[in-house]
Amino acid sequence: GENVEQHPSTLSVQEGDSAVIKCTYSDSASNYFPWYKQELGKRPQLIIDIRSNVGEKKDQRIAVTLNKTAKHFSLHITETQPEDSAVYFCAAGESGTSYGKLTFGQGTILTVHP
Amino acid sequence: GAVVSQHPSWVICKSGTSVKIECRSLDFQATTMFWYRQFPKQSLMLMATSNEGSKATYEQGVEKDKFLINHASLTLSTLTVTSAHPEDSSFYICSASIGASDTQYFGPGTRLTVL
Repeated sequence: GENVEQHPSTLSVQEGDSAVIKCTYSDSASNYFPWYKQELGKRPQLIIDIRSNVGEKKDQRIAVTLNKTAKHFSLHITETQPEDSAVYFCAAGESGTSYGKLTFGQGTILTVHP
Repeated sequence: GAVVSQHPSWVICKSGTSVKIECRSLDFQATTMFWYRQFPKQSLMLMATSNEGSKATYEQGVEKDKFLINHASLTLSTLTVTSAHPEDSSFYICSASIGASDTQYFGPGTRLTVL
C-alpha cells in the first residue's frame, strides 16, 4: 500500500517568514495530493490540492509543488501569520480507484511567533 | 457548500457498552464516506471506506465486528463501536466525497472516552 512520509514534525517560524513542509510517497500510481490544516480539536480543513498533471499550484500565500519523478511534494506558506499556527497534514491518493482513499502523512506542527 | 456533520461531538461511556456515531452530509449526496481514528498528537488513520448500499471495506488491522459501519443512504453513515474498552478512546472523524471527486470533506469529529 501507499506510504507517506512528512517532514519536519515541528516547525517554528517568525511572523512574516516562509514555511516549507515536505512529503514523499511510495506508490507511483498516486495522482492526487491534498494538504489539510487542523487546529486543536477541530476538523481537518482542505487548504490546497494538486493533481499529477500539474507541477505547481498557488492560492494567495499558499503554494504546492509536485515532483512525480522523485515522488515528493511540498507545501509553501509565505508571509506567515500567527493564525497559520496549526497541524498540517499531507496526503496521497489514487484518483478513480479505491473510492478516493487517502493515505496521510504524520503531520507537521507549525508555530508562527508574533 | 460540502458540509459534513457528526453526532455526538463527544461521548463518555462505560467499558463494555456500545456507542453509535453518526456522520451526515448536509448539502450534498456522498457517494463514499470514510471513517478515521486519530489519537492525540498523531495522524489520521483510515479505519474503513463506506459506500452507500454496500458493505464497508475495512483497513488491515481494523476489526469489522467491533467497528460496525452502516451506510444506509447517500447522506448518512454510522459507526458503532461495540463492547467499547478504554483503549478505544480516541477522536473519530468521518469524511465524505462527492461522486467521483477525490476531495474529502471532514466532519467535526467525535471524542470518545471509555471509562
